[in-house]
Amino acid sequence: EDQVTQSPEALRLQEGESSSLNCSYTVSGLRGLFWYRQDPGKGPEFLFTLYSAGEEKEKERLKATLTKKESFLHITAPKPEDSATYLCAVRSSASKIIFGSGTRLSIRP
Amino acid sequence: EPEVTQTPSHQVTQMGQEVILRCVPISNHLYFYWYRQILGQKVEFLVSFYNNEISEKSEIFDDQFSVERPDGSNFTLKIRSTKLEDSAMYFCASSETKGDEKLFFGSGTQLSVL
Repeated sequence: EDQVTQSPEALRLQEGESSSLNCSYTVSGLRGLFWYRQDPGKGPEFLFTLYSAGEEKEKERLKATLTKKESFLHITAPKPEDSATYLCAVRSSASKIIFGSGTRLSIRP
Repeated sequence: EPEVTQTPSHQVTQMGQEVILRCVPISNHLYFYWYRQILGQKVEFLVSFYNNEISEKSEIFDDQFSVERPDGSNFTLKIRSTKLEDSAMYFCASSETKGDEKLFFGSGTQLSVL
């Protein structure tokens, strides 16, 4: 069964303190790994897609990387506005994406 | 920027009642989805829909659930006889193509079953 596991569940950082979020996955034939951001009371918002090991994508202070079993979301010099829940997801079939439980990131000024 | 619109934002109902959650996907999108998120838990896939039929559904999506695209712009999720455990945030999403990397999500309907 396809599965996505994220760690840590919650992460509190000081503004400017860089760190990484982890996503490990089990899927029969990876057809895309996704990172989404979710703010409280809102739907997930798309950030990145990665398709093959070694691939990297960047957007502002965020960089996503992919290996054969894991993905990392690196956040460099975060700001309070980066506080959110970050969700990892994989494409389980052509018409289904499954999500991990997320990492709640909190950045203190 | 185009967005997915969901109504109502909150719905309170009595156990055993029928509810219909409504969504207006982005206009040129062809693939539609419902997900739900029970408080504190992960976002769970319910169903995907294309060309007026269900493409895939999860084990959660039993006979009590149905989806419809009644008029070419709305996409609805009906729960026939609600249970307490149906209380959750329900998200509608749409994408332009099948296997599209980017799903656009609405802001959700918070369903409370009493």
